[in-house]
Amino acid sequence: DAGITQSPRHKVTETGTPVTLRCHQTENHRYMYWYRQDPGHGLRLIHYSYGVKDTDKGEVSDGYSVSRSKTEDFLLTLESATSSQTSVYFCAIRNGQGDSPLHFGNGTRLTVT
Amino acid sequence: GENVEQHPSTLSVQEGDSAVIKCTYSDSASNYFPWYKQELGKRPQLIIDIRSNVGEKKDQRIAVTLNKTAKHFSLHITETQPEDSAVYFCAATDPGGFKTIFGAGTRLFVKA
Repeated sequence: DAGITQSPRHKVTETGTPVTLRCHQTENHRYMYWYRQDPGHGLRLIHYSYGVKDTDKGEVSDGYSVSRSKTEDFLLTLESATSSQTSVYFCAIRNGQGDSPLHFGNGTRLTVT
Repeated sequence: GENVEQHPSTLSVQEGDSAVIKCTYSDSASNYFPWYKQELGKRPQLIIDIRSNVGEKKDQRIAVTLNKTAKHFSLHITETQPEDSAVYFCAATDPGGFKTIFGAGTRLFVKA
């Protein structure tokens, strides 16, 4: 593994509640990403970070916010969870820019009832 | 922004046959194209990648080709084995170098 820990691994929550997913890395990589994976859609980018307190939106950012106060931690928050946010969420890190691969965490399965 | 399309969505082959997965991308300035394999319940893992200054790359039974003019790249797996059964994703990294956009995935079944 590339030193990436996602927590929790599984979570069930109710519609309308706030949820925070955590990604922790021990690689000191600059770039961190949140993706969601749904059948038929592959991996879709939610938000990414290119440094402490530097974040930007991806393809499907509505309903999500992120924060990165330390190099090692990247938090994904669902302010008010909806059933459409039921998904598997993957965190990924990258050492360099552009032409270097992503390394993924083991994922968080989130169910919103 | 970048858009990546991947075909087919499902592919079934006999053990020992070859498998080909094709992807197209929209942004001609994209310059890095990785391929990931995801086994059931696991995380995606890089299997091979190619940069825009290279037309072909091979690693044992796996090869990737890139046609920049057509904005098309393909994954070729030869002598397929049952353990090749998985979901395969192609991806392209945008010219800014920050975002990697994925195709929708191909589920490969290798029948023994």
